[in-house]
Amino acid sequence: DVKVTQSSRYLVKRTGEKVFLECVQDMDHENMFWYRQDPGLGLRLIYFSYDVKMKEKGDIPEGYSVSREKKERFSLILESASTNQTSMYLCASSSAGAAGANVLTFGAGSRLTVL
Amino acid sequence: KQEVTQIPAALSVPEGENLVLNCSFTDSAIYNLQWFRQDPGKGLTSLLLIQSSQREQTSGRLNASLDKSSGRSTLYIAASQPGDSATYLCAVKDGGSQGNLIFGKGTKLSVKP
Repeated sequence: DVKVTQSSRYLVKRTGEKVFLECVQDMDHENMFWYRQDPGLGLRLIYFSYDVKMKEKGDIPEGYSVSREKKERFSLILESASTNQTSMYLCASSSAGAAGANVLTFGAGSRLTVL
Repeated sequence: KQEVTQIPAALSVPEGENLVLNCSFTDSAIYNLQWFRQDPGKGLTSLLLIQSSQREQTSGRLNASLDKSSGRSTLYIAASQPGDSATYLCAVKDGGSQGNLIFGKGTKLSVKP
């Protein structure tokens, strides 16, 4: 069963801590994405990557960075966590390709609470 | 800037009823449109993807239609079941094959036994 795995389902961190959210996919997908989901705001794209070592800013990149050293792994980094980064974080991947055949596959999500 | 709207935000129906969920978007120049399902506290599951050149897609009891010119899509669920209770989100991809998905805020569906 192909899937996207987010290593941490629930995290509680303190303000100022460095936080790593890991995402691994086993579908050999080229594209990987990080979203955050908040009540009333929906899903918002933080960063995405079309290839190893490539990254592009999404709609809300401030306060975040990413790393993609291997094709299957895409990490989201909060250099200094703040309370307004308390949220559900969703990782997704898709294949590249023509004709828009790139259906997104999502992980189960990581719920981060920053105290 | 593309905006995606889903109305209503919440819907409650009795089991067995046929229902329609609505999605509208402001810029008709989309590449494709996807419908997703999200269960509480979980990630999203892709239900149907409609290419910009298509009018509809079907999967089991689900049928999604797309009218690009009017900026609308509908998700039809036949013979609803309590297991269909979830939040349904639509998302449009614009800006070409490498464009990003723009999500609506979802419709929370509750199917009562």
